[in-house]
Amino acid sequence: EAGVAQSPRYKIIEKRQSVAFWCNPISGHATLYWYQQILGQGPKLLIQFQNNGVVDDSQLPKDRFSAERLKGVDSTLKIQPAKLEDSAVYLCASSLFGGSEAFFGQGTRLTVV
Amino acid sequence: KQEVTQIPAALSVPEGENLVLNCSFTDSAIYNLQWFRQDPGKGLTSLLLIQSSQREQTSGRLNASLDKSSGRSTLYIAASQPGDSATYLCAVVKAAGNKLTFGGGTRVLVKP
Repeated sequence: EAGVAQSPRYKIIEKRQSVAFWCNPISGHATLYWYQQILGQGPKLLIQFQNNGVVDDSQLPKDRFSAERLKGVDSTLKIQPAKLEDSAVYLCASSLFGGSEAFFGQGTRLTVV
Repeated sequence: KQEVTQIPAALSVPEGENLVLNCSFTDSAIYNLQWFRQDPGKGLTSLLLIQSSQREQTSGRLNASLDKSSGRSTLYIAASQPGDSATYLCAVVKAAGNKLTFGGGTRVLVKP
C-alpha cells in the first residue's frame, strides 16, 4: 500500500516570496492534516480536511497561509508571503476518518532566508 | 484545551537497557492515543495506537500502556538497540473526528 506522498522534500526561499507544498494521501483516506513542526518541537496542526471540507483551521495564519483539497484527494498548502519564522518542516498526514490511526508523509523542510 | 507533555526531553541509555518513555495529558476524556517514532530529517512513523477503552497495546519489543484517570501513557521498549535511537512522540485525540495533539517528544540515544 502506498504511503502519504509529499513534495518537494526541501525548499529554500527568501522572505516575502511564496511557496507551495503538495500532498497525496493514502487512497481511501477521508481525513487529511497539515502540521507544522518547528525544530525541537512537536507538530502543530495547521488545517484538517474531511473529504474536501475544512474541519479545523483555527491555528492557520490565514493572512499568509492557504490550503485546499481538490476533489477530496490531493491537497496543496501555500504560504504567501513567507516570513523567517515559517522555517519549519511541513508534514502531511491522512487517516480513514478524523481521529483514527494517522499516517504521515516524509515532510517538506522549508528554510526562509 | 488539551495539553500533552513528554518528560524528559532527552535521554541516553546503554544498549540492552529497557526504555521507559512518558506522556501526560491534561484532559482525561480522550478517544485514543498514538505513539510515533521520528528519525532525523524524516516524517513520523506510527508505532502503536491505544483506544480509550484499552489499557495497553503491544507490538514486538514495544508495549504502550494507558491510564486515562491519571492522564498518562507509557511506552516501554525492551532490550534497547542502537537502531532505537530516534525521537518518540505521543499524540492524543480528544474525540472522533478531531485532530491529534502532540507532545514535544523525547529524543532517545542508545549507546552501543
